[in-house]
Amino acid sequence: QSALTQPASVSGSPGQSITISCTGTSSDVGSYNLVSWYQQHPGKAPKLMIYEVNKWPSGVSDRFSGFKSGNTAFLTISGLQAEDEADYYCCSYTSSRKLVFGGGTKLTVL
Amino acid sequence: EVQLVESGGGLVQPGGSLRLSCVASGFTFSGFWMHWVRQVPGKGLVWVSRINGDGSSTNYADSVKGRFTSSRDSAKKTLYLQMNSLRAEDTAVYYCGRDRDGDGMVDYWGQGTLVTVSS
Repeated sequence: QSALTQPASVSGSPGQSITISCTGTSSDVGSYNLVSWYQQHPGKAPKLMIYEVNKWPSGVSDRFSGFKSGNTAFLTISGLQAEDEADYYCCSYTSSRKLVFGGGTKLTVL
Repeated sequence: EVQLVESGGGLVQPGGSLRLSCVASGFTFSGFWMHWVRQVPGKGLVWVSRINGDGSSTNYADSVKGRFTSSRDSAKKTLYLQMNSLRAEDTAVYYCGRDRDGDGMVDYWGQGTLVTVSS
């Protein structure tokens, strides 16, 4: 199972919006609405930000949103804040009953 | 409060074995799938395995299948990862995480335990 494809880095200024893509295949992202997104700050455990493509866990800001088109999922962060600077990973359930993560995207808030 | 606490990491020689533990508290342990996810320091997250609530169903990444075994003890509220035939490329921080349906909604994670495979 190959990792999902994410851009290595994205950046934006405070208050702006950014979008991170996550491209998989018809065996994972394209077949299931089971894409999740995780935020990870250095030295910390990942934190669930979005699940099932576009749902928020309790306590997560609605500045984070997700959607999917075909084999690609997207995470949008609006109203960028300094604290959003972190690594972001997408994850999808697969047809082989496994999970697969993306390679990660480093978000820099300028 | 939901808590997951991993232990058991350390330095092991190539070809050796190690068993990781993840003690759960604050929730009905048997009601959740549990995952192991690893991360080489400075690199990305990689899914390792999952196990269902009663331990009857497991799935593994191809890279560890046949070498790693995930199990759980409901009485001890503990998840295990038995790692055999360890290789240098297994060196990573290993995280456990809980998932309501086993399909990627990992809403709580442990702090991780570092496994180093080296001679």
